[in-house]
Amino acid sequence: DVKVTQSSRYLVKRTGEKVFLECVQDMDHENMFWYRQDPGLGLRLIYFSYDVKMKEKGDIPEGYSVSREKKERFSLILESASTNQTSMYLCASSVSGGGAVTQYFGPGTRLTVL
Amino acid sequence: GEDVEQSLFLSVREGDSSVINCTYTDSSSTYLYWYKQEPGAGLQLLTYIFSNMDMKQDQRLTVLLNKKDKHLSLRIADTQTGDSAIYFCAASPMDSSYKLIFGSGTRLLVRP
Repeated sequence: DVKVTQSSRYLVKRTGEKVFLECVQDMDHENMFWYRQDPGLGLRLIYFSYDVKMKEKGDIPEGYSVSREKKERFSLILESASTNQTSMYLCASSVSGGGAVTQYFGPGTRLTVL
Repeated sequence: GEDVEQSLFLSVREGDSSVINCTYTDSSSTYLYWYKQEPGAGLQLLTYIFSNMDMKQDQRLTVLLNKKDKHLSLRIADTQTGDSAIYFCAASPMDSSYKLIFGSGTRLLVRP
């Protein structure tokens, strides 16, 4: 079974702090994703990586950066956390290729910024 | 770009059928997906349908696709309390092999 793990289930940070959210997948997937989930808004893509050290901006990259130094690990960084970044953050991974491609999700990190 | 819309809430009685609806805007979307999110968990793929199909059945789940109206539905037969969850519709745009556009999710509540 594919496993995607996230470093924390719950996190509380203060405004202005630098925050690191880590995601690890164990299936040698090329693609990794960071989404944020807010009630009524569904999932919105923050960043995507299709290979080590490669990244692309998603729909809402402002205030975030990412790092992918190893294939299995994808980190989301909030350089200076703000209260409007309080949300559920979901990491996902998938293989590359055509056809139907399943994204496998981690359990999520609920981040509260005070 | 692609936009995917769903109603936010559905309540059914245990044993009844549930029908969750979704509309999308990009007629060139190649695959359409249904994901389930149980409380406190990430999303799990339930099923998907290729855009040239009208229907797909998988045990208690039936997916119907009306490509002309850009309408997708998920029917759950004999709904159980364990089916209570948020259900997300997602579309795969033709211009991207990796990207999924998610709807806002439909919260299904199954009453005993």
